[in-house]
Amino acid sequence: SQELEQSPQSLIVQEGKNLTINCTSSKTLYGLYWYKQKYGEGLIFLMMLQKGGEEKSHEKITAKLDEKKQQSSLHITASQPSHAGIYLCGADSQGSSNDMRFGAGTRLTVKP
Amino acid sequence: DAGITQSPRHKVTETGTPVTLRCHQTENHRYMYWYRQDPGHGLRLIHYSYGVKDTDKGEVSDGYSVSRSKTEDFLLTLESATSSQTSVYFCAISDGPTGHNSPLHFGNGTRLTVT
Repeated sequence: SQELEQSPQSLIVQEGKNLTINCTSSKTLYGLYWYKQKYGEGLIFLMMLQKGGEEKSHEKITAKLDEKKQQSSLHITASQPSHAGIYLCGADSQGSSNDMRFGAGTRLTVKP
Repeated sequence: DAGITQSPRHKVTETGTPVTLRCHQTENHRYMYWYRQDPGHGLRLIHYSYGVKDTDKGEVSDGYSVSRSKTEDFLLTLESATSSQTSVYFCAISDGPTGHNSPLHFGNGTRLTVT
């Protein structure tokens, strides 16, 4: 089965700083999704990447898919306390299992 | 936000009792999913549905059953709850099957404690 490894597991940054979270797959990536989760809440869909080299932005969050490295990165520019939470990557599984696999998540704390 | 409502939001139950969790959507999406989220295991698929009365097992289906009698409702039943089923349960929906670039949209979860 496809495994997704996220790094770092947790991150503490000062408000205003930039940061990057990585998601590496053990298998070829065909569709990669980024989600954000706040404590006690569900996952909020941020963006979807479909092709190698694709880059998408949502407000101050940019995600990129590197097909060759089987990796996606999520970059936050000028972090704010509102960016705090757990970021998870998800990827389409191959075959007919209809199961999206998820990384374990990266916990982000932004200090004011 | 996608119109997904999970009920109840919190539940405490005793070992051996049956429990049913409900997911209701207003998006008319064909696909619905039940995941559980546990520390150290992340999100794991329990069951999913690809249409009314059409369901299939996921990675961790033992001890769980599901039913979907209407497009908008997907029920998850623990036939005889065990302490290992203490978890946070999430319902998700999508307008296409995963593997076809269809993002999942999640409910706010049900926190279940089995004592």
